[in-house]
Amino acid sequence: LVLTQSPSASASLGASVNLTCTLSSGHSSYAIAWHQQQPEKGPRFLMRLKSDGSHSKGDGVPDRFSGSSSGAERYLTISSLQSEDEADYYCHTWGTGIQVFGGGTKLTVL
Amino acid sequence: EVLLVESGGGLVQPGGSLRLSCVASGFTSSTYWMSWVRQAPRKGLEWVANIKPDGGEKYYVDSVKGRFNISRDNAKNSLYLQMNSLRVEDTAVYYCARRRTGWPFDYWGQGVLVTVSS
Repeated sequence: LVLTQSPSASASLGASVNLTCTLSSGHSSYAIAWHQQQPEKGPRFLMRLKSDGSHSKGDGVPDRFSGSSSGAERYLTISSLQSEDEADYYCHTWGTGIQVFGGGTKLTVL
Repeated sequence: EVLLVESGGGLVQPGGSLRLSCVASGFTSSTYWMSWVRQAPRKGLEWVANIKPDGGEKYYVDSVKGRFNISRDNAKNSLYLQMNSLRVEDTAVYYCARRRTGWPFDYWGQGVLVTVSS
């Protein structure tokens, strides 16, 4: 069970960006979670995202954050980018007794 | 307000031991799985260990099996990580996190730094 993320992404202030997390072969039905980690802070849960694209957000997560799914791909879309969205974004999934993280995507807001 | 507060970190020599604690407030911790997740300097997140709500099941990443022990005291809303035979590569910020069965981590602590160095 492996999650693959691009190491980096960038987008302009006010624009939108899509981050991608890919589940390994045989695991395309798995739900994942997206977590945000701003510089020098602990992670923050953003949302749980299922294979059908339905998602449940964490407390206080702005509407600018949304998720979608296609096959083994899980997407995090951030619209109307703000400076505080510059952070590392991790996808995360779980199996019997284990938790797995992707390598993280560092988002730069230009 | 849900809060998870870790403590017990510090500098320890290779081969030494350390015990981390995490105190939960704002929710009934006895109904949640609890976990430790670590982050080495300039690296990503790595899951370390899980413990079932009643403490009856525990799971570990292979690299810490036989050296680390996760435990909990639900009467004190507390989670622990006993770390023995520490190695330089265990150096990291350690976070505690909670989750419900079938759900991801939805709250995290602020983290505690463990440095293993001679």
